[in-house]
Amino acid sequence: AQSVTQPDIHITVSEGASLELRCNYSYGATPYLFWYVQSPGQGLQLLLKYFSGDTLVQGIKGFEAEFKRSQSSFNLRKPSVHWSDAAEYFCAVGDAGNNRKLIWGLGTSLAVNP
Amino acid sequence: EAGVAQSPRYKIIEKRQSVAFWCNPISGHATLYWYQQILGQGPKLLIQFQNNGVVDDSQLPKDRFSAERLKGVDSTLKIQPAKLEDSAVYLCASSLAASGYSYEQYFGPGTRLTVT
Repeated sequence: AQSVTQPDIHITVSEGASLELRCNYSYGATPYLFWYVQSPGQGLQLLLKYFSGDTLVQGIKGFEAEFKRSQSSFNLRKPSVHWSDAAEYFCAVGDAGNNRKLIWGLGTSLAVNP
Repeated sequence: EAGVAQSPRYKIIEKRQSVAFWCNPISGHATLYWYQQILGQGPKLLIQFQNNGVVDDSQLPKDRFSAERLKGVDSTLKIQPAKLEDSAVYLCASSLAASGYSYEQYFGPGTRLTVT
């Protein structure tokens, strides 16, 4: 069955430090991959997506993610974290065979120290 | 472009009471989703509409939850009667279509439900 794993439940980084949030997926075909961010008390906002083509995708707010088929991974990165990046981050894969339903990870909570 | 609208933002009810949530998707978006998000977890799809037809309601507890999208635009999710375990954030999302490459879902701010 399709699944998404975010191995890190909680991560704390210092402001200005680099960030990498891990996402691994299990999917039989070419996946459609997404990263969403959820700030406290807010809905989910799409950061970036991968459908095909260049495996390094750029998103909003200075985020990028790299699709690595050999590792079944789609890790999210940011070179320099800002305090406003503190939020919950969700990775999701689109299930083409199931009405394009999104399969969600459990999320990674990011805290940023000043 | 206006985003997905939801109301109310917060609701507190007692168990066994009923509650309804409203969602207005982005104009022109054919597909509408209702999710339940329990604290510390990812979103769980409750129901997916394509226009005014149900595409997937496999995880909707149909003994107490119901949803409708009568004119293919806005939607209502109802819980009757509510249980303590229904305390969660209810998220509405919409997407342009459920075909092609339009997987992108746009979310509303959510309704935080507390059942006491």
